[in-house]
Amino acid sequence: DQQVKQNSPSLSVQEGRISILNCDYTNSMFDYFLWYKKYPAEGPTFLISISSIKDKNEDGRFTVFLNKSAKHLSLHIVPSQPGDSAVYFCAATRGGSNYKLTFGKGTLLTVNP
Amino acid sequence: ETGVTQSPTHLIKTRGQQVTLRCSSQSGHNTVSWYQQALGQGPQFIFQYYREEENGRGNFPPRFSGLQFPNYSSELNVNALELDDSALYLCASSLRPAQLRNSPLHFGNGTRLTVT
Repeated sequence: DQQVKQNSPSLSVQEGRISILNCDYTNSMFDYFLWYKKYPAEGPTFLISISSIKDKNEDGRFTVFLNKSAKHLSLHIVPSQPGDSAVYFCAATRGGSNYKLTFGKGTLLTVNP
Repeated sequence: ETGVTQSPTHLIKTRGQQVTLRCSSQSGHNTVSWYQQALGQGPQFIFQYYREEENGRGNFPPRFSGLQFPNYSSELNVNALELDDSALYLCASSLRPAQLRNSPLHFGNGTRLTVT
């Protein structure tokens, strides 16, 4: 039973355009959500997070939106750059704790020059 | 600041054998978590160690076991290896079990285990 779902295995966008990566979750106990970026041969790197008490969090070119009623979150990258090409994982946890993150399968983003 | 380091980077074992993977936590971090990432999947939580004791476990059988040492480094041991154990094993360190906004997980580059 997959509690965090990323239904798009891959996404390709042009440099300078917006990238939108989507994530759905089924466990209503999740209240803290994170996005990690992973390059080949490296470990996941924390990108941005959001608490369930918010519906939006921004950090530079990255914005995460949370729709609690739909159990859906999305990561927007504007403008997209070739260096953003990586696998993006959505993750969720309960109580905002760093104990036991539940990850989605990831979305491979390719930004074309 | 020294990041999370894992060894070895790659390992090939035969079904039925035992394996030990090692992790040195980031400087100042006292909690270590282990994750398994199978091909095409996201990382799955195996367990977390704090103060040299297991602080919670995911859905993995007892043949997956761990240790944490006084210097906060950690080992993951897998006995009776099965073909499905082939995966990337990731170690992540953080400060004491805490709120993510104050202590995000820092991952190492992982150990790629292949079981033949």
